[in-house]
Amino acid sequence: AQSVTQLGSHVSVSEGALVLLRCNYSSSVPPYLFWYVQYPNQGLQLLLKYTSAATLVKGINGFEAEFKKSETSFHLTKPSAHMSDAAEYFCAVTLIIQGAQKLVFGQGTRLTINP
Amino acid sequence: DTAVSQTPKYLVTQMGNDKSIKCEQNLGHDTMYWYKQDSKKFLKIMFSYNNKELIINETVPNRFSPKSPDKAHLNLHINSLELGDSAVYFCASSQVLAGRKDNEQFFGPGTRLTVL
Repeated sequence: AQSVTQLGSHVSVSEGALVLLRCNYSSSVPPYLFWYVQYPNQGLQLLLKYTSAATLVKGINGFEAEFKKSETSFHLTKPSAHMSDAAEYFCAVTLIIQGAQKLVFGQGTRLTINP
Repeated sequence: DTAVSQTPKYLVTQMGNDKSIKCEQNLGHDTMYWYKQDSKKFLKIMFSYNNKELIINETVPNRFSPKSPDKAHLNLHINSLELGDSAVYFCASSQVLAGRKDNEQFFGPGTRLTVL
């Protein structure tokens, strides 16, 4: 079964520091992977997605993620954290069932930015 | 011009009551979903409808009954509410293109349900 695991339920970095949020996947077929962000009291917003076209994927707000098959990873990074990046981040893998796309989410990582 | 909207945003009710949450999308998508986010922020799919037809039902108790009157609406009715139903419920929609697995799902703002 396809699944994702996010390492670290809480990550805290200083403003301007590198952000690294970890996601490892388990899949018997080439996975399609997503990173979503959830700001406080809001719904989820797509940051970026991996579709096998390129291993380095650039998303919104300066985030990017690199797909590494050898490590079964799809870690999310941002070179310099902003206060506005404080949010919950979810990695997800997708399954297609009878025409419907099912997202299987990781446990989420709360990102805190220290001034 | 909200893409995916849900009502109400907050719902506080007593155990045993019946309540409904409504969802509407104006994106022209053919597939809609309900997700449940528990107190630990864990997100899990509950249901999915494609063109008003139930496609995914993730072993959700039959007290939960989704209804899709048309492609743009997917409502969630919950009977005999229990304490464990307290959560944030998210509606989402997507256009699932044949052969593609990278379709983006657009999420509503969520409905926070509190059962007392």
